[in-house]
Amino acid sequence: DIQMTQSPSSLSASLGDRVTITCRASQSITSYLNWYHQKPGKAPELLIYAASNLQSGVPSRFSGSGSGTDFTLTISSLQPEDFATYYCQQSYSNPPTFGGGTKVEIK
Amino acid sequence: EVQLVESGGGLVQPGGSLRLSCAASGFTFSSYTMNWVRQAPGKGLESVSAVTESGGDTFHSDSVKGRFTISRDNSKNTLYLQMNNLRADDTALYYCTKGHRRDGYSHWGQGTLVTVSS
Repeated sequence: DIQMTQSPSSLSASLGDRVTITCRASQSITSYLNWYHQKPGKAPELLIYAASNLQSGVPSRFSGSGSGTDFTLTISSLQPEDFATYYCQQSYSNPPTFGGGTKVEIK
Repeated sequence: EVQLVESGGGLVQPGGSLRLSCAASGFTFSSYTMNWVRQAPGKGLESVSAVTESGGDTFHSDSVKGRFTISRDNSKNTLYLQMNNLRADDTALYYCTKGHRRDGYSHWGQGTLVTVSS
């Protein structure tokens, strides 16, 4: 199975901050990388698919980049509704494994 | 509006069985790969199973292979997960999700909780 490693596991940030989360795959997954966030008590929501494609309805402050083994999710200006746990998921091969998550908290 | 509504979870003893269902609406169910993803209490996400549009191809993670079976009834717009020989480490919230992994799971249900305990 392809292992996905996210960093950091948690971070504290203020409203308006630029936030970057990284995800590393144990082998090349080309651009087959999805990003989700999950608010407490809610189901995850798809933000980015295929590394850099913004899911319909997702605000443009979210962006994704990377290819091969190293990927980044960036929130350009953190908003109150962005405090959540973020997960990456490789979609290159079965099983489609998730990273361990990054919890974004209020500073 | 896309809706995925899971049901069938509950408390079951180790070695027992459950069948989860996911009722889908708001889209052409037979045109999409469907999946089950689970989340143990306080933990991260784990892909469990997937089934292609026609039901002809399925995938199960190693942790459930031989014990769980995913299926679908396109005439009823319903996804199923038959879970046999349940273990304590199967305790989790089970989500039904829509879409092939390459496109991302665009919609998720609210989840149904499975608790395996004596």
